[in-house]
Amino acid sequence: AQSVTQLDSQVPVFEEAPVELRCNYSSSVSVYLFWYVQYPNQGLQLLLKYLSGSTLVKGINGFEAEFNKSQTSFHLRKPSVHISDTAEYFCAVSADHTGGFKTIFGAGTRLFVKA
Amino acid sequence: EPEVTQTPSHQVTQMGQEVILRCVPISNHLYFYWYRQILGQKVEFLVSFYNNEISEKSEIFDDQFSVERPDGSNFTLKIRSTKLEDSAMYFCASRGTGPYEQYFGPGTRLTVT
Repeated sequence: AQSVTQLDSQVPVFEEAPVELRCNYSSSVSVYLFWYVQYPNQGLQLLLKYLSGSTLVKGINGFEAEFNKSQTSFHLRKPSVHISDTAEYFCAVSADHTGGFKTIFGAGTRLFVKA
Repeated sequence: EPEVTQTPSHQVTQMGQEVILRCVPISNHLYFYWYRQILGQKVEFLVSFYNNEISEKSEIFDDQFSVERPDGSNFTLKIRSTKLEDSAMYFCASRGTGPYEQYFGPGTRLTVT
């Protein structure tokens, strides 16, 4: 079975500062990795995904993440955040144990961008 | 761009009542899922569905829950006798044939009173 650990439940940061949201995973098989963002009272929006190939993946809204297989990590970064980036961010993994590729989510990290 | 849709956006029901949450997955997708998010908590997998049968389900998905694809477009989640703890946001998702990301619907907020 796979699991996801998001190491920070809340990350406060000032506007225009860089940010890193940390995510570690465990799995006995190859995984596919995702970051989703959830704004208040809204659904899940895919930020970026790692399926294969280059370990540095770029997503929407200026976010990027790096897949590190040896450290089983998939940290999300943005060089300069905006107030509008305030939201809940979920790291997620998907792996084929039963053919279904269910997605397992981390507990979420609340990014709070201050002016 | 095709998207997953869910109805209703908000459902209020009394404890013990049956509810059916509806989803229309993306038309050429073959794998369908339901997830649940209790307020302030993480998103939890409930069930996956492929080829008209459940392929995997979680411990949450007990006998009170059922899923169905009654026609070629809808995918439903039924809760037979709702409990207060069923109050949550329910997300439907669908996936194509590759091991790619699942596309999530906007969710149905279920409130059990």
